[in-house]
Amino acid sequence: AQSVTQLGSHVSVSEGALVLLRCNYSSSVPPYLFWYVQYPNQGLQLLLKYTTGATLVKGINGFEAEFKKSETSFHLTKPSAHMSDAAEYFCAVSEGGGGADGLTFGKGTHLIIQP
Amino acid sequence: DGGITQSPKYLFRKEGQNVTLSCEQNLNHDAMYWYRQDPGQGLRLIYYSQIVNDFQKGDIAEGYSVSREKKESFPLTVTSAQKNPTAFYLCASSIVPERAQHFGDGTRLSIL
Repeated sequence: AQSVTQLGSHVSVSEGALVLLRCNYSSSVPPYLFWYVQYPNQGLQLLLKYTTGATLVKGINGFEAEFKKSETSFHLTKPSAHMSDAAEYFCAVSEGGGGADGLTFGKGTHLIIQP
Repeated sequence: DGGITQSPKYLFRKEGQNVTLSCEQNLNHDAMYWYRQDPGQGLRLIYYSQIVNDFQKGDIAEGYSVSREKKESFPLTVTSAQKNPTAFYLCASSIVPERAQHFGDGTRLSIL
């Protein structure tokens, strides 16, 4: 069965500093990997996704993530944090054969931006 | 603009009552999903549907029911058998081969 582990339920960085949110997954087949962002009382917005091909994936709002098969990781980074980045971030994996199964989510990381 | 509409935004349930959460999408997506979100727990899959008139149980289907009579609509009923229904419920849809899911803004269900 697939699973996702997000290290750190809360991460705090200073405005302008590097953002690093960690995600490790387990999957018996090559996975599809996703990062989502959630603002309070809202739904989830897709930041980026890895399917096949290039292992460094660029997303919206300056975020990117690198798929490392040997480390079973898909960490999310942003070079310079902005106050508007404060939100909940979720890593998710899909390995369903037909692609229509639900995603398996990590428990989320709350990103706090210090002024 | 295309998207997913969930209603109502807030819902209150009395003891022994069934309540239905609405989810409508105009993205022409085949697959639709219901997730439950609890603080610190991430999202957990309740039910999903790949095509009209067909749906499958997810990880936490007990106490819930769904229907998929139209491609655009996937309502979720929280029955009285669900003993801990207080949560944030999220509906999503996807184009199957792409797998990336698009989410509505959620319904927050509370117990009176």
